[in-house]
Amino acid sequence: SSELTQDPAVSVALGQTVRITCQGDSLRGYYASWYQQKPGQAPVLVIYGENNRPSGIPDRFSGSSSGNTASLTITGSQAEDEADYYCHSRDSSGNGVFGTGTKVTVL
Amino acid sequence: QMHLQQWGAGLLKPSETLSLTCVLNGGSFSGYYWSWIRQPPGKGLEWIGEISHTGNTNYNPSLKSRVTISLDTSKDQFSLRLSSVTAADTALYYCARGLYASNINWFYPWGQGTLVTVSS
Repeated sequence: SSELTQDPAVSVALGQTVRITCQGDSLRGYYASWYQQKPGQAPVLVIYGENNRPSGIPDRFSGSSSGNTASLTITGSQAEDEADYYCHSRDSSGNGVFGTGTKVTVL
Repeated sequence: QMHLQQWGAGLLKPSETLSLTCVLNGGSFSGYYWSWIRQPPGKGLEWIGEISHTGNTNYNPSLKSRVTISLDTSKDQFSLRLSSVTAADTALYYCARGLYASNINWFYPWGQGTLVTVSS
C-alpha cells in the first residue's frame, strides 16, 4: 500500500513535547518530509531527510524514522505551533503520497 | 529569495479543462521537480504530479488520464492542465518546487494557492 497514515488529532500543553507519527510501507525506502499548514496559508516545509530543518525553522522541530514509521517531534511546544501537519514520501513507483494529516492543538 | 506565483481560472463548469500556471521568480529550473498539489476544502493534501527540468513527468495514477504538466523555461513557468473536471476536482491548487533525489524528497517553496471551483 502507498498510503501514509497519521493520527487525526493530538493535543499538547504549552511548553511540552508532542510526537506526530506517520506510518506506511513507502517509508522503508524514503525519508518523510513534514509540512506545517496554518489556516488560510500554504504548507511550509519544516523537516526533510534524516533530520534536517530549512532555514528559519526553529530547532524545537526534529524528525526521526524507524522501519515504516516517521516521526515529527516538537520539543517545548509554542502557541504558534498549533496547525495541521502532513508527512510526504514516495511510493515504490516514485509517485508522491501525502499523509492523512494531524491537527495539533496547543493547550 | 526564490518564490513561486501562480494564476488561473477559478470557476469552471463540469467537463471543462482546468488550466493553471506558476512562474518562478529568482531561481533556476535546473535540478528540481516542478510540482502540483491540491487540497479539497477541509481535506488533506493530494499530490497531482511533477515535471523535471529535463521534461520528465510523473503523475498521480488516479489522475494520470486527465493530467498534463508542462514546462516553459523561456518564460520561467510551468503549467497544469486537468481535463474533464467534475465537482470532485474543486480544490485549492498549489504549485511547488520539489527535490526528489535518492531517498530524500521535499517541496519548498510553495505558491500561494489558487482556489478552483467546479460548478454548473
